[in-house]
Amino acid sequence: DQQVKQNSPSLSVQEGRISILNCDYTNSMFDYFLWYKKYPAEGPTFLISISSIKDKNEDGRFTVFLNKSAKHLSLHIVPSQPGDSAVYFCAASAWRGGSQGNLIFGKGTKLSVKP
Amino acid sequence: DTGVSQNPRHKITKRGQNVTFRCDPISEHNRLYWYRQTLGQGPEFLTYFQNEAQLEKSRLLSDRFSAERPKGSFSTLEIQRTEQGDSAMYLCASSWDRGFGNEKLFFGSGTQLSVL
Repeated sequence: DQQVKQNSPSLSVQEGRISILNCDYTNSMFDYFLWYKKYPAEGPTFLISISSIKDKNEDGRFTVFLNKSAKHLSLHIVPSQPGDSAVYFCAASAWRGGSQGNLIFGKGTKLSVKP
Repeated sequence: DTGVSQNPRHKITKRGQNVTFRCDPISEHNRLYWYRQTLGQGPEFLTYFQNEAQLEKSRLLSDRFSAERPKGSFSTLEIQRTEQGDSAMYLCASSWDRGFGNEKLFFGSGTQLSVL
């Protein structure tokens, strides 16, 4: 069963507008969430993260929102740029046994930003 | 460049052959992970090491797969008697576990395996 779900396989946005990527999770033990960006033929690159004690984290053009009651998080990119075109992965992990568990990834959303 | 390094970048092999991949993590990182990614899927966890100790293995890691991290530095992932279903991108990642969580994984560029 998929514990981390990204239900939109793709998203197309005009340059300068906002991109909103969504992620849902089912495991209530998850307490740390990350977004990774991946270009073709490269490994995922860390983008931004959020701990479950927060509901928002901002880094430049990127903001992640966490709604624990809905088990939902979203990544906002404002303004979107053509260089943001990539596959975005949502990932989550849980603190267990005295250490952080491994990351569980969603299937990804392919973002296309059109000039 | 002090990022995670993986070799080779591409590997083509025939079914039944053995293959070995290498990963050099970021030098100060004490954790090393192996993930596998197939087309249209996110990375799937295979196994991880804390220093030289292999602490967890996924059920995806059949007995044909073996990973080592001697001396807690670089790691190797070997697949014996490869099958076509093993074709995937094999990703290595490392992190610094400080004991209070919230660790970020840094990934290498991966090794793309094609089993013919």
